[in-house]
Formats: sequence, structure tokens, C-alpha cells
Amino acid sequence: DAGVTQSPTHLIKTRGQQVTLRCSPKSGHDTVSWYQQALGQGPQFIFQYYEEEERQRGNFPDRFSGHQFPNYSSELNVNALLLGDSALYLCASSPGGRNYGYTFGSGTRLTVV
Amino acid sequence: AQSVTQLGSHVSVSEGALVLLRCNYSSSVPPYLFWYVQYPNQGLQLLLKYTSAATLVKGINGFEAEFKKSETSFHLTKPSAHMSDAAEYFCAVNGAGNMLTFGGGTRLMVKP
Repeated sequence: DAGVTQSPTHLIKTRGQQVTLRCSPKSGHDTVSWYQQALGQGPQFIFQYYEEEERQRGNFPDRFSGHQFPNYSSELNVNALLLGDSALYLCASSPGGRNYGYTFGSGTRLTVV
Repeated sequence: AQSVTQLGSHVSVSEGALVLLRCNYSSSVPPYLFWYVQYPNQGLQLLLKYTSAATLVKGINGFEAEFKKSETSFHLTKPSAHMSDAAEYFCAVNGAGNMLTFGGGTRLMVKP
């Protein structure tokens, strides 16, 4: 049973560029959340998608946007990249409901130069 | 609002010794609490979760945690540390809404 799959694993972008990260949730999971983990810190919640709608959003600027497809996979888009956007981006999926432990992918390491 | 505080960004123990990683939380609603482990260059793996059933929760790899409402704590323990336990550990709370709020993490080092 495949878990959460993220692509690409590593990415290097230049300031001002745009980037798209992809996530396939675990089989049976319909809810996808995105987190940003800066070096040496805990993950920070970006947003969550359910039924192709953004259900909740953390304290991130509008440069961060997302999408969920009918097959529950998801994309995270970041526009006008800043050096401070360099981080590990984690995707987590769950079958919905607060009492489920979210399953995390291995992440995409984004470096902005 | 919800938050998590992990006391001690680095903890060092000898192999075979007790592991104790501290986590205190705040939540405006009865919380669900989680411990995750992260190995270098990997994602997060769920160790255990508290979802308002038994207050003593057993997880994988011999870890367990006890929910203490009066102390707003959810400390992680393991009776005997193994070299393979060396990793970063994160406590997280899922209070109101569906987002996880993480603590800053504790790096566990295990000395031979």
C-alpha cells in the first residue's frame, strides 16, 4: 500500500520564479494538508484541501496557493519566490476527522537562490 | 488558539537509559495529541496519538505517552534507548479546526 507520494524530491529555483509541488495521498485518504518546515524548526501549516476546496489556511501570504483534483491529489504553488521560502515542504493526508494521525510524505526540499 | 511547547531542543541519553521528551500544549477545546519522529532527510512518521480514550497511549518502537489534563502535558517516554532512536521528535496538537500545530522539536542523541 503506497503511502503519501511527493514530487519532486529536490528543487532549486531562482528568486522571483514560480514553483509547483505535487502530492498523491495515501489510498483511501481524501484530505490533503501542506506544511512548510524551515531548517531546524517544526512544520508550519500552510493549508488544507477537502472535496477540491481549501478548507483551512494558515498564516501564509497569497503567494502560496493550491489545488486538489478529483482523484484527491494536490498541488502547492508558490509565486514570486523569496530566499525565505527555502524549506522542506511536507504533504500530509488523512481520511478526514480530527482523531486520525495524518500520514506524511517524505517532502520536497526547495532551495531558492 | 492552540500551541505546543517542547522543553529541551536537544536531549542526550546513553544507550539503555530512559528516554523522556517533554511536551506541553494549550488548546481551547479538548485536544487530540500526536508524537511524530523524523529521521534525517525524511518525512514525519507517526509514533502514537491520543484521541480522548485511554490516557496512557502506547506507540511503535516501544514508545508511550501519558496525557495529563491537569498539567496540560503529553510527555513521551521509552524505558530503554536504542541507537536507532536517534532522531528529531515532534509533538503536535489538533485542537479546533483540522490543522496540526507542532512544537519546535527535540533532537534525541543516543550515546553508546
